[in-house]
Amino acid sequence: NAGVTQTPKFRVLKTGQSMTLLCAQDMNHEYMYWYRQDPGMGLRLIHYSVGEGTTAKGEVPDGYNVSRLKKQNFLLGLESAAPSQTSVYFCASSPIGTSITRRTDTQYFGPGTRLTVL
Amino acid sequence: LAKTTQPISMDSYEGQEVNITCSHNNIATNDYITWYQQFPSQGPRFIIQGYKTKVTNEVASLFIPADRKSSTLSLPRVSLSDTAVYYCLVGDIGALNYGGATNKLIFGTGTLLAVQP
Repeated sequence: NAGVTQTPKFRVLKTGQSMTLLCAQDMNHEYMYWYRQDPGMGLRLIHYSVGEGTTAKGEVPDGYNVSRLKKQNFLLGLESAAPSQTSVYFCASSPIGTSITRRTDTQYFGPGTRLTVL
Repeated sequence: LAKTTQPISMDSYEGQEVNITCSHNNIATNDYITWYQQFPSQGPRFIIQGYKTKVTNEVASLFIPADRKSSTLSLPRVSLSDTAVYYCLVGDIGALNYGGATNKLIFGTGTLLAVQP
């Protein structure tokens, strides 16, 4: 059971290049999320998905697109990278939970992708 | 907007009990309070979650007063390996199904706990 995995772990882009970050989870979770984390700041939600085929905007969606064609995968795309998108990107997933001790709000995070845009 | 406020950093020594408080004055009725731990170069890891009163698990306790405008994470007898950043998250993921989630998953800047020998 690998949990949440992210590909790649590191990437360097030039301004204007595009790339896709892949997130995969093997826990059969319904909800998936993409966050970015910048130095001195907490995690900020970029986009999220409440199920296969659905996506929605989070707090900082501009410059990013996402797709959830399969339940276990959530892709984050940068069409034209900018230096302001230099950050560490975390993917997370959470179940539809009704347990008293572990609700849907419990998110499981991947190890992160460190992206540098020059 | 359920913004959270935490101390930027705290220092402690091995074996001591550590209490980290998070303020969330605008918490909504359906919001839960969740605490995460993050080590360098890793993703956050769930510690504990609660709605009101006190919750305890094998690693921590969470104290939430009746007005729910703050919460305190208590780590008993910390060790060097507890050195990490601790985040308080206030939100209701159930609301994601109805849209408007931009204000529902707000992490604070976290508290850096440094445990010394």
